[in-house]
Amino acid sequence: DAMVIQNPRYQVTQFGKPVTLSCSQTLNHNVMYWYQQKSSQAPKLLFHYYDKDFNNEADTPDNFQSRRPNTSFCFLDIRSPGLGDAAMYLCATSRDRTVGLEKLFFGSGTQLSVL
Amino acid sequence: RKEVEQDPGPFNVPEGATVAFNCTYSNSASQSFFWYRQDCRKEPKLLMSVYSSGNEDGRFTAQLNRASQYISLLIRDSKLSDSATYLCVLLGGKLIFGQGTELSVKP
Repeated sequence: DAMVIQNPRYQVTQFGKPVTLSCSQTLNHNVMYWYQQKSSQAPKLLFHYYDKDFNNEADTPDNFQSRRPNTSFCFLDIRSPGLGDAAMYLCATSRDRTVGLEKLFFGSGTQLSVL
Repeated sequence: RKEVEQDPGPFNVPEGATVAFNCTYSNSASQSFFWYRQDCRKEPKLLMSVYSSGNEDGRFTAQLNRASQYISLLIRDSKLSDSATYLCVLLGGKLIFGQGTELSVKP
């Protein structure tokens, strides 16, 4: 059974039209992450939540926002998608922030296309 | 200099071949190291952790050289199903991913 679920699997949006990607988890993990991965590039951490504490990466554009209304759900909002935002968006969870030898549990990702 | 550097490949090898990937890192304070495997348009999946003493899991061997700041992954007796991108991942406060090395195993 999937433990980190991302919906939808594929998302198409128009240039400048706000879009929301969702992630849910059944693991009751404290930490939820959002990564952006462009073709042939490394996953890039956008931000993460440690419980309700939001931690933004310094180079994450303001265009990207996130919400975590409860332990199970986390959303990625792209306020005005540009062509350069087309990518795979990966949600991941870990029990604690110091991942160490623990596994990072990934969802299957949402492939975003911007037309 | 990138925090994590990998040869992007692709590495094209015949079935049964032995192939090795290296990954160099710049932050000597990095604490933990991992190899992840990522299939095309899928999420990364943990392949193995990398220990200072080196570790083996079946056909896969991972090694860490802290003095030279690199980790390696050796795959013996390559299978068609090993075709994927292999990501080097470090923990240094947060997880840092390399861009991956693409492996293609041919019949």
